[in-house]
Amino acid sequence: DAKTTQPPSMDCAEGRAANLPCNHSTISGNEYVYWYRQIHSQGPQYIIHGLKNNETNEMASLIITEDRKSSTLILPHATLRDTAVYYCIVRSPSGGGADGLTFGKGTHLIIQP
Amino acid sequence: GAVVSQHPSRVICKSGTSVKIECRSLDFQATTMFWYRQFPKQSLMLMATSNEGSKATYEQGVEKDKFLINHASLTLSTLTVTSAHPEDSSFYICSASGPYEQYFGPGTRLTVT
Repeated sequence: DAKTTQPPSMDCAEGRAANLPCNHSTISGNEYVYWYRQIHSQGPQYIIHGLKNNETNEMASLIITEDRKSSTLILPHATLRDTAVYYCIVRSPSGGGADGLTFGKGTHLIIQP
Repeated sequence: GAVVSQHPSRVICKSGTSVKIECRSLDFQATTMFWYRQFPKQSLMLMATSNEGSKATYEQGVEKDKFLINHASLTLSTLTVTSAHPEDSSFYICSASGPYEQYFGPGTRLTVT
């Protein structure tokens, strides 16, 4: 799986949009971009994933650049409960979940009141 | 989304004893489950892949005789930490594979005294 690079930490004001970047310059053509988050002392939570088109669900939006070498996760209206470590993971689907995930260090997003 | 549970959520044991952690997929069947370990201030590290009805596959550096994994049914995988030592104290997290993503349990905090 391709390696990803994320800033170690970010702050965002409550109610504002939180934009979390991820670089994945070595991504292969069949690899998806996945985002998970981990709130302190809990298991990771799936957020969203995409291949090349922008994606949106009830939690977030995922913007993938045209060359697919980077992406941005957008939390449109951040709340205090969004404070967590956010992981960007690039992986091939291989049947969906047949392989374990390789977690980098992620971005610690802190939402400020 | 799919629900994965773990039991116990927290356990304290004495050095030299064994501890069993259960991981259950509550509303779906999971052919494959995964076990991760997370030390304080570090990211999740994949320990092993648990396949229903067959032997688990361990990541490099993980002792298969120390961390026994059993995946006897499509909804249950167990991790037994044998002859636990203080350095085994960690946050153990399981996940179950779905069609497009992995669903994580809430984690088990193991403290070995």
